[in-house]
Amino acid sequence: NAGVTQTPKFRVLKTGQSMTLLCAQDMNHEYMYWYRQDPGMGLRLIHYSVGEGTTAKGEVPDGYNVSRLKKQNFLLGLESAAPSQTSVYFCASSYATGSQMRRYGYTFGSGTRLTVV
Amino acid sequence: DQQVKQNSPSLSVQEGRISILNCDYTNSMFDYFLWYKKYPAEGPTFLISISSIKDKNEDGRFTVFLNKSAKHLSLHIVPSQPGDSAVYFCAASESGNTGKLIFGQGTTLQVKP
Repeated sequence: NAGVTQTPKFRVLKTGQSMTLLCAQDMNHEYMYWYRQDPGMGLRLIHYSVGEGTTAKGEVPDGYNVSRLKKQNFLLGLESAAPSQTSVYFCASSYATGSQMRRYGYTFGSGTRLTVV
Repeated sequence: DQQVKQNSPSLSVQEGRISILNCDYTNSMFDYFLWYKKYPAEGPTFLISISSIKDKNEDGRFTVFLNKSAKHLSLHIVPSQPGDSAVYFCAASESGNTGKLIFGQGTTLQVKP
């Protein structure tokens, strides 16, 4: 099925370890996003990309890095994991034009549940 | 400083009745509002949207109302079904081409048979 695929689905890290979360979409969407979901906080934007080779900071970027080397992939990296990064991470993609994105919204992946101990 | 707020963490309604989920916002530059539905262990899925130049948009059992003067929007589900039980997120988009959405905290809806 077409859509957004996130790997891995679950991961436990020790404080200080590093890891990369992979997001892949097959809808030829220009825009991609990384959000984190925490209880009582909703979904908060970490980083986003408006096209291949471009990235920008969102609301909560500290402690994360991203790369968009290929249009279909958006990687989220944690260089030195901290317990505060325990969360569920969602990747999403959307059409480029504002009106299409706003009418049809994002397509989300199923999430990565990360626990940092 | 939360620009999009859903002040009710949870809502419980009887099957067949109306569910009303509320959302408030502070930024008058938002030009589109969207509702997402999320089941456990899945990603959010797009439900319905409304432009800031409209006051109502309807899609089947789902209707979204926008009151710009009050900076308030609501999602009505009529009639509610047990399969509607999920977390509902309100989101807002600023004008421009970043595509960024600002999400509320979410409201958990339980529809009882």
